[in-house]
Amino acid sequence: KAGVTQTPRYLIKTRGQQVTLSCSPISGHRSVSWYQQTPGQGLQFLFEYFSETQRNKGNFPGRFSGRQFSNSRSEMNVSTLELGDSALYLCASSSGDSYNEQFFGPGTRLTVL
Amino acid sequence: GEDVEQSLFLSVREGDSSVINCTYTDSSSTYLYWYKQEPGAGLQLLTYIFSNMDMKQDQRLTVLLNKKDKHLSLRIADTQTGDSAIYFCAERDSGYSTLTFGKGTMLLVSP
Repeated sequence: KAGVTQTPRYLIKTRGQQVTLSCSPISGHRSVSWYQQTPGQGLQFLFEYFSETQRNKGNFPGRFSGRQFSNSRSEMNVSTLELGDSALYLCASSSGDSYNEQFFGPGTRLTVL
Repeated sequence: GEDVEQSLFLSVREGDSSVINCTYTDSSSTYLYWYKQEPGAGLQLLTYIFSNMDMKQDQRLTVLLNKKDKHLSLRIADTQTGDSAIYFCAERDSGYSTLTFGKGTMLLVSP
């Protein structure tokens, strides 16, 4: 079974731009969660999508948004980029059932200049 | 809110046992996880334990859970240089899929 894939792996943007990151979950998984990892704040939950609906949301500004498609692939978008948005963005895939083992992708490294 | 705490750094010699500790505050935590992250990589799920268990063993890994003290530990037997990585403890409430992570423990294994 193929693992979680994230594209692109690396991205460099400048302040004020916007960016879209993509995540393809493990086949059959319906839940996709997004996390931001920074040296200072560690791993922080952004949001979770299940069957195309946002099921849970972390404490991030509205510049961070996401969506999920009918094939369970998910995208997250960050508008009006700030220097502090530089981070590793990780996507996790799970079945979405009551016990859901979450499998992480390799991440997208975003650098904002 | 929920909080998960870990020591930041552990150094051991190859062949020794490593013990990484974690404390959490959310008494409704149902599942507790250990993840491993190697440089430049995502998170690899190592093992997990349900909150109604005290111990779980999986090859070289032993997880101990003291629910009363909200303390979780991961013991790696016969630690190898390939075990050098950052180890994250995470907890999840049964009502949500959200994981709350500790800041991670960097394990350095020297030959």
